[in-house]
Amino acid sequence: NAGVTQTPKFRILKIGQSMTLQCTQDMNHNYMYWYRQDPGMGLKLIYYSVGAGITDKGEVPNGYNVSRSTTEDFPLRLELAAPSQTSVYFCASSSTSGQPQHFGDGTRLSIL
Amino acid sequence: DQQVKQNSPSLSVQEGRISILNCDYTNSMFDYFLWYKKYPAEGPTFLISISSIKDKNEDGRFTVFLNKSAKHLSLHIVPSQPGDSAVYFCAASPPHYGGSQGNLIFGKGTKLSVKP
Repeated sequence: NAGVTQTPKFRILKIGQSMTLQCTQDMNHNYMYWYRQDPGMGLKLIYYSVGAGITDKGEVPNGYNVSRSTTEDFPLRLELAAPSQTSVYFCASSSTSGQPQHFGDGTRLSIL
Repeated sequence: DQQVKQNSPSLSVQEGRISILNCDYTNSMFDYFLWYKKYPAEGPTFLISISSIKDKNEDGRFTVFLNKSAKHLSLHIVPSQPGDSAVYFCAASPPHYGGSQGNLIFGKGTKLSVKP
């Protein structure tokens, strides 16, 4: 059972570069989320989606974009990477808003 | 401002004893609370949850208590085992209105170390 799969696991970017963090889930969940976790902090919501074609901003959306063309995939795009975006990024999914979220193992991103 | 607070960054417990992890929240409208466990280099894993209409939920060695008047919840692990050593996150879910998000608001986590 794959669950939520995130790629890549690690990445180093230079300031100003762009990249896409991939997230896919095989549980047919409608709800998907992107969080970031900074050192010593809890997870903060970047963007979320309640179904294919529907996305909305979370608490910390600046500098990011998302798309949801299929139920399975929810990529996160970083444009013009900045050092403040150095973090661990987690993707999660749930069947409905009232169910626990299932998390991927994260992408550790460093921007130098 | 933090809506979900875990004021103890770390906790050390002897194997076989009880571990008690605490969490406070500020928003009385939260209607669902969860505990997640996280090992290094892995994503958080759901452990146990409680609805705001209950004051206790038990699952094996894990029990969550909710005190709404104090806006406080706690996770009890009995007996603690070395494999329980991990970071534990408390999370709360805002009430769900039309177009609900289903997002979670997380505390900063408490690192539990269970010593053999």
